[in-house]
Amino acid sequence: SYVLTQPPSVSVAPGQTARITCGGNNIGSQSVHWYQQKPGQAPVLVVYDNSDRPSGIPERFSGSNSANTATLTISGVEAGDEADYYCHVWDISSDHVFGTGTKVTVL
Amino acid sequence: QVQLVQSGAEVKKPGSSVKVSCKASGTTFRSDGFTWVRQAPGQGLEWMGGITALSGTTNYAQKFQDRVTITTDESARMVYMELNSLRSDDTAIYFCARCGPSLLGYFDHWGRGTLVTVSS
Repeated sequence: SYVLTQPPSVSVAPGQTARITCGGNNIGSQSVHWYQQKPGQAPVLVVYDNSDRPSGIPERFSGSNSANTATLTISGVEAGDEADYYCHVWDISSDHVFGTGTKVTVL
Repeated sequence: QVQLVQSGAEVKKPGSSVKVSCKASGTTFRSDGFTWVRQAPGQGLEWMGGITALSGTTNYAQKFQDRVTITTDESARMVYMELNSLRSDDTAIYFCARCGPSLLGYFDHWGRGTLVTVSS
């Protein structure tokens, strides 16, 4: 089965840049989507198809995908960005797969 | 805007079944797909399966293939997920989400989740 590996945690100071990686075999050939989940809330789509943003999502959120790593970048991090983040792909052999999740802490 | 309103929390005995509902509004419904994702306490997201509203075509995760049934009622704009033979490790929050009709892409709108507790 297809496995997506994320770092358990990322810490970042306000105003700095957070980068959350999602590793998978040849993930660069997949469409990767990213969700933000705050405690007690449902996930929210923040990036889809590697680098597109849904309406209402700040430009601070951006995505890239190449080779074996996809990356969600949060520029100018704010306190309200503190949350869990999950990557997601659809794989022909495994169907929908979510990453292990990364807790972003704003220092 | 798109809203997905889920049914309330459930407490079930091991071996029983649960049926969770999800009412969609602000969307055409017939041109949508809907999917179910669960999250055990303190754990990550786990995809269970999905359904294309127009044709009723379903696709289930292999792990749940024998225990889950996802259906729709187009007239009521409802999506249902029934899970059978419940075990304690089925205790989780169950989310419905909207996706494209191919069921292959991203999940752009989510319900708030339904807590299902399985306990004797």
